[in-house]
Amino acid sequence: DMKVTQMPRYLIKRMGENVLLECGQDMSHETMYWYRQDPGLGLQLIYISYDVDSNSEGDIPKGYRVSRKKREHFSLILDSAKTNQTSVYFCASTPGHKDTQYFGPGTRLLVL
Amino acid sequence: GEQVEQLPSILRVQERSSASINCTYENSASNYFPWYKQEPGENPKLIIDIRSNMERKQIQGLIVLLDKKAKRFSLHITDTQPADSAMYFCAASGEGTGANTGKLTFGHGTILRVHP
Repeated sequence: DMKVTQMPRYLIKRMGENVLLECGQDMSHETMYWYRQDPGLGLQLIYISYDVDSNSEGDIPKGYRVSRKKREHFSLILDSAKTNQTSVYFCASTPGHKDTQYFGPGTRLLVL
Repeated sequence: GEQVEQLPSILRVQERSSASINCTYENSASNYFPWYKQEPGENPKLIIDIRSNMERKQIQGLIVLLDKKAKRFSLHITDTQPADSAMYFCAASGEGTGANTGKLTFGHGTILRVHP
């Protein structure tokens, strides 16, 4: 059974603090994604990673950076979080860039 | 890049009737069109998809139609049940090059409410 995990599931941070969101998958998928979901805006792509240390900006990369040092793990980092980064963040993975994306359970981030 | 428009944003239907959601896209190179269902507090889950070498695909009560000429695709749910109530997203992905490779562009979603 294909599985994408995310940690933490819920997070409250103060403005200006650093945030680390973790994503893992046990399927040796090459490609991984970070999205944010806001009401009325659907899913917006933040970053894509095609493999270890092979990352590419998505549609809304500003204010975010990513790290992928192992194929199974993809991290999203917010340096100095802002209140407008309050959102639900989803990680996804796919075996190849043309295939179905499988989503993790999401991380609900509140920045005060 | 790609832009995907999805309508309607809210859809209310009676139980056992059909529901239709329509999406349009801009990039003629897009060749993969998945549909996701998302229940409250849950992650999006793939329910059906279609590739550009097909015009129609059906999985049980779900039908997807693709009109490449019009750059339009649609999801039809037949014999709706209250359990079909959820948010539905369409998406489009193409070959692309560079930054477009492997990118799924999502519509803004449709909230479907099936009333008993």
